[in-house]
This record gives sequence, structure tokens and C-alpha cells, in this order.
Amino acid sequence: DSGVTQTPKHLITATGQRVTLRCSPRSGDLSVYWYQQSLDQGLQFLIQYYNGEERAKGNILERFSAQQFPDLHSELNLSSLELGDSALYFCASSGRGTSPSGANVLTFGAGSRLTVL
Amino acid sequence: AQKITQTQPGMFVQEKEAVTLDCTYDTSDPSYGLFWYKQPSSGEMIFLIYQGSYDQQNATEGRYSLNFQKARKSANLVISASQLGDSAMYFCAMREGAGEGSARQLTFGSGTQLTVLP
Repeated sequence: DSGVTQTPKHLITATGQRVTLRCSPRSGDLSVYWYQQSLDQGLQFLIQYYNGEERAKGNILERFSAQQFPDLHSELNLSSLELGDSALYFCASSGRGTSPSGANVLTFGAGSRLTVL
Repeated sequence: AQKITQTQPGMFVQEKEAVTLDCTYDTSDPSYGLFWYKQPSSGEMIFLIYQGSYDQQNATEGRYSLNFQKARKSANLVISASQLGDSAMYFCAMREGAGEGSARQLTFGSGTQLTVLP
């Protein structure tokens, strides 16, 4: 168990629908990152939050949005879903001194597998 | 240009042998970090090893070592004494910059699927 909790593990929905993916970071980690992993695009960075504020934005579509709450959990909202949004969505968290070398390692959750039919 | 390039889509290695997975990177930032992650078929991403751009020695973590050649911008992962459980997808990743103001996200390569043969 990495300490990063993602729900749901699996989700099947239809095109045009909206879903919310939830992430609880490791205890003490202030940063949360969202990544999308698909067969054709690989691992793509979507967005990062640090202590409730957006820190960096990657290849996140306008139909997608995210937020980090005061208790540091984060939600990724995906709307107007298309077939191409089917992917494994990872949440990762990081904090200071998370490896012996002092590197700010990202710890990943188990992912939420989204299937859009 | 690709920031992280992994040129080996698939690799095979005999059990108990060593294997090298290639990774080259591209950055103009003098401060950066290089990471390797393992993704077994179950899907989770497992951190393996880290190398900082200013680290004088190559990183090692158990059977994993990182062959860091800064001038060539390569950060190859070496797995010694391969085990059947090492069969997985391996990703090289980079973080550019340092300090509070820099972005902390990782950019990943396309991965190498390693299969360990009995």
C-alpha cells in the first residue's frame, strides 16, 4: 500500500457523462498530481496542486477540472466524456525528503481505470 | 523534442542475468532529477531509483543501479540478477528545475516492457 488512495478503482460509463475521481494523498504530503495513462499517449501529466492551490498545468482538456480541498484530498472531474477519455488515471503525491537521497519522489496511487462506452 | 526517450519498447532477459534499460533525456536546465518507476501488470507505479543532476556518484538501490552519463544525457537503469518478478513496464522520468518556485511534476518516457525468461 503506497499510502495514496484512489477511488473508484474501476468505472464504466457512457459517452457524454460526467465522472469524479477522488484521491487522498499520503499523510503529510501537500502536493497532488494527476496523470492520465492511455495506450496511445503514454503517461501524460494533467495538473498539480500544492496545499490547495493550482501549481502547474499540463495537457488537461477544458472538459476536465480538478481541485484540492482543505483536507488535501483532491478530485478530478471529467465531463462530456468521449471514447478517447478511456484511460488509467493516476493520482500521485509528494512531500519533502521522501527518499533517502532527499529527492522529492512522487508516490502513486493504484489508479482509477475509466472505461467510456 | 522529446524530453525523455526510451528506445527499447521491449526487452528480454534470462533469469539471473543483468539487463540495461536505456533512457536519454533532453533539458537545458542545470538542475534536474531522473527517476525510474516500475509498473507491473497489476498497474501500480512503483518508485525504484533517483539520480540528481549534481550527484557525484551513480545511484544504487539494491539490485537497481543507475548508469548516469551526464555529458551524453543518459540515465540507464541496470537490473542485476534478474528475477521473474522483475517482468514489468519500466518508465524513465525527469523533473526539471529545483527550489520552491520550480514545477515538481515528472515527465515520463514511453516505457520499456521487460520480460524475464525462466
